[in-house]
Amino acid sequence: EAQVTQNPRYLITVTGKKLTVTCSQNMNHEYMSWYRQDPGLGLRQIYYSMNVEVTDKGDVPEGYKVSRKEKRNFPLILESPSPNQTSLYFCASGDRDYQPQHFGDGTRLSIL
Amino acid sequence: GIQVEQSPPDLILQEGANSTLRCNFSDSVNNLQWFHQNPWGQLINLFYIPSGTKQNGRLSATTVATERYSLLYISSSQTTDSGVYFCAVDRSQGNLIFGKGTKLSVKP
Repeated sequence: EAQVTQNPRYLITVTGKKLTVTCSQNMNHEYMSWYRQDPGLGLRQIYYSMNVEVTDKGDVPEGYKVSRKEKRNFPLILESPSPNQTSLYFCASGDRDYQPQHFGDGTRLSIL
Repeated sequence: GIQVEQSPPDLILQEGANSTLRCNFSDSVNNLQWFHQNPWGQLINLFYIPSGTKQNGRLSATTVATERYSLLYISSSQTTDSGVYFCAVDRSQGNLIFGKGTKLSVKP
């Protein structure tokens, strides 16, 4: 089954404790992205990657890191999480530019 | 940048009713998608529709790219249709710009 898998689905943690949200896709897609969803602000792109070892900032990259060492994986790293990073996060993948984007089930992060 | 506006922001229907959701965008686009976010937060792909009309069961969508709008039709609505419907346009490089969504509540 074609899918984008995020882990964990839910996480409550404390300020400053490094965390990683994993994302994996099994569709051999070139493009992968991370979004965050916040009430009143909608979904906004954090980082994207067009291929292995190629990443770039989206609209709200501050406080996040990403890496793309393998085509299928695109982890999101919060080196020193803060409460303003409490949000619902989505990973997405797409075959190439202007093709449908497929989203994971989301990760709810709470930073206390 | 591209602006995406959806209307109405909220919609309450009785089960069995039909509805039309609208998405306006401010510039020409190469991709437009409709999503349904269910009560558990999952984003479900409904349509990839940069132009033309598509149908999938009780749902259909039409995009008129030259006039910069897209419509999502829901017929014979069911309670399971409840949730938030988003349209999103592709700004390139996989960067989707989302509208604020239409929150649909279908009452039994």
